[in-house]
Amino acid sequence: NAGVTQTPKFQVLKTGQSMTLQCAQDMNHEYMSWYRQDPGMGLRLIHYSVGAGITDQGEVPNGYNVSRSTTEDFPLRLLSAAPSQTSVYFCASSYSQGSKRAGELFFGEGSRLTVL
Amino acid sequence: DAKTTQPPSMDCAEGRAANLPCNHSTISGNEYVYWYRQIHSQGPQYIIHGLKNNETNEMASLIITEDRKSSTLILPHATLRDTAVYYCIVKGAQKLVFGQGTRLTINP
Repeated sequence: NAGVTQTPKFQVLKTGQSMTLQCAQDMNHEYMSWYRQDPGMGLRLIHYSVGAGITDQGEVPNGYNVSRSTTEDFPLRLLSAAPSQTSVYFCASSYSQGSKRAGELFFGEGSRLTVL
Repeated sequence: DAKTTQPPSMDCAEGRAANLPCNHSTISGNEYVYWYRQIHSQGPQYIIHGLKNNETNEMASLIITEDRKSSTLILPHATLRDTAVYYCIVKGAQKLVFGQGTRLTINP
């Protein structure tokens, strides 16, 4: 199993450009989420999904869109990048919310985004 | 979601037990306590979780007070590789919200 795979690992954008961070998991997890981590800070939840076709906002959703058309994939879209979105982005997946292991998140290696 | 309070940093000698405290005084009866750690800039790693009973696995032990308002993560024999930021999280219905965590430094 590859676990949670994030691409790209590094990206540099100019202000106003758009891009999509890809996240795929091969563990058949129903729950997926995106976090961002700024230097010296903890992780902040952007968006999450409890299953295909269902998404919801986290703590800092502004400037980001998500969709969940399949169980495996949960892409994060930046429609018009801003320097404030310079950060490390982590995707995570977990078991269904009814499971006793619902809070055991499996994280990807992160995507480092710089917006100039 | 219940808030958690952790000391910003702690030190521990290699080979000793590291005891990391967490306060969660507003925890609800059906909310679990989760612990994660993040080594350098890697993705966080799940350690352990519990509801009301003490829990132990191959990585650590989790002690939850009887009133569930606080907990302690115990690394029984800390090694240099345990140097990391440790996050205590009270899980709400559908999401895990990370706080600032405790930066644990294991000293040789």
